[in-house]
Amino acid sequence: DGGITQSPKYLFRKEGQNVTLSCEQNLNHDAMYWYRQDPGQGLRLIYYSQIVNDFQKGDIAEGYSVSREKKESFPLTVTSAQKNPTAFYLCASSQVTHLGETQYFGPGTRLLVL
Amino acid sequence: AQKITQTQPGMFVQEKEAVTLDCTYDTSDQSYGLFWYKQPSSGEMIFLIYQGSYDEQNATEGRYSLNFQKARKSANLVISASQLGDSAMYFCAMRGVSGYSTLTFGKGTMLLVSP
Repeated sequence: DGGITQSPKYLFRKEGQNVTLSCEQNLNHDAMYWYRQDPGQGLRLIYYSQIVNDFQKGDIAEGYSVSREKKESFPLTVTSAQKNPTAFYLCASSQVTHLGETQYFGPGTRLLVL
Repeated sequence: AQKITQTQPGMFVQEKEAVTLDCTYDTSDQSYGLFWYKQPSSGEMIFLIYQGSYDEQNATEGRYSLNFQKARKSANLVISASQLGDSAMYFCAMRGVSGYSTLTFGKGTMLLVSP
């Protein structure tokens, strides 16, 4: 089955700790994205990557870091510099075709700071 | 900059009835794409339907149709014959059309379908 997997489903973090959220896709998509969703809100873009070894900041990149060493993987690290990290994190991937580009999402990770 | 506005925080509909979820947008791009996603309580974002700004016909996907009115900058989602499983958050989103570009989301509309 082709798709996007995110792990873990739930993640608890103590204040001052860095944590890494996993995102893997086997759709052979070039582009991958990380979004943050707060309660009652839409999605806001954290980082995105259009190609391996390259990524760009989104609207709310402060306190986050990413890497794109492999096409299939785009892990997100929430650092201690992120002052309000409790949120739902969604990863997406996409491919440009003659029909355009549609982003497909993983199941998400809920991060809770204790 | 792109902006999406969804003015309905919540909508109620009875099973088997049709419902329209509103979405207006603002952009200075000449070419753009409009999307609707469904987010059930599990959290996953499910792609429903896409409309390109130069598409002359309204997009349809099964029970979903997109009522695209370019002059009014609106892209309303119409769900026909609502089902209980349609209860979820619905998000309107847009992007530019040149290569890869990022999505801008609205704040969503919660739809509740009653028996």
